Amino acid sequence: DAKTTQPPSMDCAEGRAANLPCNHSTISGNEYVYWYRQIHSQGPQYIIHGLKNNETNEMASLIITEDRKSSTLILPHATLRDTAVYYCIVGSPGSGNTGKLIFGQGTTLQVKP
Amino acid sequence: GAGVSQSPSNKVTEKGKDVELRCDPISGHTALYWYRQSLGQGLEFLIYFQGNSAPDKSGLPSDRFSAERTGGSVSTLTIQRTQQEDSAVYLCASRKSGLAGVGEQFFGPGTRLTVL
Repeated sequence: DAKTTQPPSMDCAEGRAANLPCNHSTISGNEYVYWYRQIHSQGPQYIIHGLKNNETNEMASLIITEDRKSSTLILPHATLRDTAVYYCIVGSPGSGNTGKLIFGQGTTLQVKP
Repeated sequence: GAGVSQSPSNKVTEKGKDVELRCDPISGHTALYWYRQSLGQGLEFLIYFQGNSAPDKSGLPSDRFSAERTGGSVSTLTIQRTQQEDSAVYLCASRKSGLAGVGEQFFGPGTRLTVL
């Protein structure tokens, strides 16, 4: 079972920041938070991941709360091409861990003009 | 560079037939995953290959499903005696080795399987 909870859907105006929340209250100390997205009829695409500290890359920012029980993915200037299903996934590294992704239902983000 | 490729992109078959789906991972990626995505179940893990290690088959739904990875590169997923509930998009992903379990997985475009 997925270890995360996300709202099923969200809307965002084009050009505005999209803030996608994720709850992972049972996350353990060595588990990372990953975000992927899936645009219609395509395979999932990696966005970002983090452990404790906030992370930023060219696609998005990831804000993780101090207790690590929740996080927020921020798309700073959403465009119509960001319309997709966004998946928040927790997983642990370490010897013997496969890195397999356990997907939940995700959040369908609709960016509107 | 080239991404993960999968073939065929679409496959229609009759119930009871066997099918083979192919995945070409990114060159140099030692980890390879199969997932499937169906309307009722979302995205689910099927099987994982890492180098010469024994694969993690824990996600395969029945013994009709099998997969192999030859030479540490190309992988084929075989479904025997297909059933209508096998209809789904089958996705392959690969990952560069490194910190075990950590890192970006690159997904292919998927094979859409329809069992009539």
